[in-house]
Amino acid sequence: ETGVTQSPTHLIKTRGQQVTLRCSSQSGHNTVSWYQQALGQGPQFIFQYYREEENGRGNFPPRFSGLQFPNYSSELNVNALELDDSALYLCASSLGGARPGSYEQYFGPGTRLTVT
Amino acid sequence: GQQLNQSPQSMFIQEGEDVSMNCTSSSIFNTWLWYKQDPGEGPVLLIALYKAGELTSNGRLTAQFGITRKDSFLNISASIPSDVGIYFCAGQLRAGNNRKLIWGLGTSLAVNP
Repeated sequence: ETGVTQSPTHLIKTRGQQVTLRCSSQSGHNTVSWYQQALGQGPQFIFQYYREEENGRGNFPPRFSGLQFPNYSSELNVNALELDDSALYLCASSLGGARPGSYEQYFGPGTRLTVT
Repeated sequence: GQQLNQSPQSMFIQEGEDVSMNCTSSSIFNTWLWYKQDPGEGPVLLIALYKAGELTSNGRLTAQFGITRKDSFLNISASIPSDVGIYFCAGQLRAGNNRKLIWGLGTSLAVNP
């Protein structure tokens, strides 16, 4: 069973640029959630994708957008980067449906984004 | 953003000691998850709790879902050096396909061999 993978591991961008982060979900999982984790903080929910549709969004501006593909992999896109966007971006996958075990989320190693 | 109250913020203990940490919320959750995160890594799921009052163990780790559904506790028995890391609680309002997790700020654990 393949775990959640993310790419790239590290990225440095300049303010105003755009960035795309990628995530491959764990085998058999059709739900992907993205989180932003600032240094010394807990993760903050950005949004979730279920079967290629956005299915829940946290308190992030529209310049944070995403996609989910038929193989359930996902992208997080951030436009007009700001200095405060510097953080660890985490992707988590889970099963769909309403069984208790399907709510457990399994995380990738994250992408460390630095905006200068 | 919304965050849970997690305490203590940090702990420095001797190897072999037991550890307790807890998490409280002003809102009710119907799922509590406990994660461990090492520096530069993603969180790793330790224990998932689904029912109020539930007590679940995973090796030396034991977690409980509070009766009020607004809190949860994690205990680590006989700590070892590899227990070092940051422990996070996360609450979830389990409904349909919603997977959003609300997180605590973490408890940083250091173990002196």
